[in-house]
Amino acid sequence: AQSVTQPDIHITVSEGASLELRCNYSYGATPYLFWYVQSPGQGLQLLLKYFSGDTLVQGIKGFEAEFKRSQSSFNLRKPSVHWSDAAEYFCAVGSYNTDKLIFGTGTRLQVFP
Amino acid sequence: DGGITQSPKYLFRKEGQNVTLSCEQNLNHDAMYWYRQDPGQGLRLIYYSQIVNDFQKGDIAEGYSVSREKKESFPLTVTSAQKNPTAFYLCASSMGDLNTEAFFGQGTRLTVV
Repeated sequence: AQSVTQPDIHITVSEGASLELRCNYSYGATPYLFWYVQSPGQGLQLLLKYFSGDTLVQGIKGFEAEFKRSQSSFNLRKPSVHWSDAAEYFCAVGSYNTDKLIFGTGTRLQVFP
Repeated sequence: DGGITQSPKYLFRKEGQNVTLSCEQNLNHDAMYWYRQDPGQGLRLIYYSQIVNDFQKGDIAEGYSVSREKKESFPLTVTSAQKNPTAFYLCASSMGDLNTEAFFGQGTRLTVV
């Protein structure tokens, strides 16, 4: 069965520091991969997505993610974090067989000034 | 403005009562979804619908019901059979293909008192 793992429940970084959020997936074929961000009490907003082609994907708000098939990973990165980036981040994989999005459990990002 | 609207934002229910959460979209999307979010568990799919008058159970459909009589609307009823209904509920819509973005509403927080 398809699954998504986000091993870090909570990450704390200082403003201006670099960031990497981890995401590992389990899927038989080439997956559709997504990163979403959620501010407290709000819905989710798409940051970026990967379907095929260039394995380094650029998204909104200065985020990027790299698809690594050999590691079954799709980690999210940002070179310099801003205080407004504090939120919860969800990785998701599209299930080709069932037309469903499967979400990871999320990583809560805290940013210190 | 096009978007997806959930109402109400906060909802309180007495034990044993059914309650219906509203979800409306004006994006002309074919597919609509209901997710439940609990702390540390990510988003879990309750029901989804790819087309009007048709819907499928997700991973945690027990105690919930839905209808899709109009393309724009996908209400969710939390029945008294749902043993632990207190949660944050998110509605989403998409074009229906997994390589397109899912748009989320702002969520409804349901509390059973």
